[in-house]
Amino acid sequence: GQQLNQSPQSMFIQEGEDVSMNCTSSSIFNTWLWYKQDPGEGPVLLIALYKAGELTSNGRLTAQFGTTRKDSFLNISASIPSDVGIYFCASLQRGGSEKLVFGKGTKLTVNP
Amino acid sequence: EAGVTQFPSHSVIEKGQTVTLRCDPISGHDNLYWYRRVMGKEIKFLLHFVKESKQDESGMPNNRFLAERTGGTYSTLKVQPAELEDSGVYFCASSRIDTDTQYFGPGTRLTVL
Repeated sequence: GQQLNQSPQSMFIQEGEDVSMNCTSSSIFNTWLWYKQDPGEGPVLLIALYKAGELTSNGRLTAQFGTTRKDSFLNISASIPSDVGIYFCASLQRGGSEKLVFGKGTKLTVNP
Repeated sequence: EAGVTQFPSHSVIEKGQTVTLRCDPISGHDNLYWYRRVMGKEIKFLLHFVKESKQDESGMPNNRFLAERTGGTYSTLKVQPAELEDSGVYFCASSRIDTDTQYFGPGTRLTVL
């Protein structure tokens, strides 16, 4: 099946630092999604990208849909302690069920 | 508006036992999905309901897993008999029929000893 390769697996940063994580795939996708999972909660959609080259911001978060349609990155600027969690890239696998395909996640730790 | 709810939040059972997980989607959401995350791995699709009908169950691991959505409201996922490799977090998500955005529940953490 289609796979999303997400990196890094984990990050330990100081409060105030910027963070960058990315996802790549050998397959072309028409949608890239970024989710965040807080401890004890389910994933929550942060940003959705639908067009190659699209750059979208949501507060301190910025995500881009790669021009090849095989990659995406997520940047977090000026990190704060509540940014702690697991960030997942995902895409929609269309064709009947529109199920989500996820990367393995990036676990972010922010030291105050 | 209430979000997706799942019950129980945690379940610890012994190998060979049966466990039933429940998901209540957001009211009015016809699409209901089950996903599972095994520790350290990606979140993987299990199956998709549209109302009470199974649209896609290609992700179900084997016939020890049975999902139902009688009446097209809440859904249950039964594992019988449970094996060690079934341990993980089971997520339910729902969406409206006309949108892509899936809303996730908090998950049920299943531990099989």
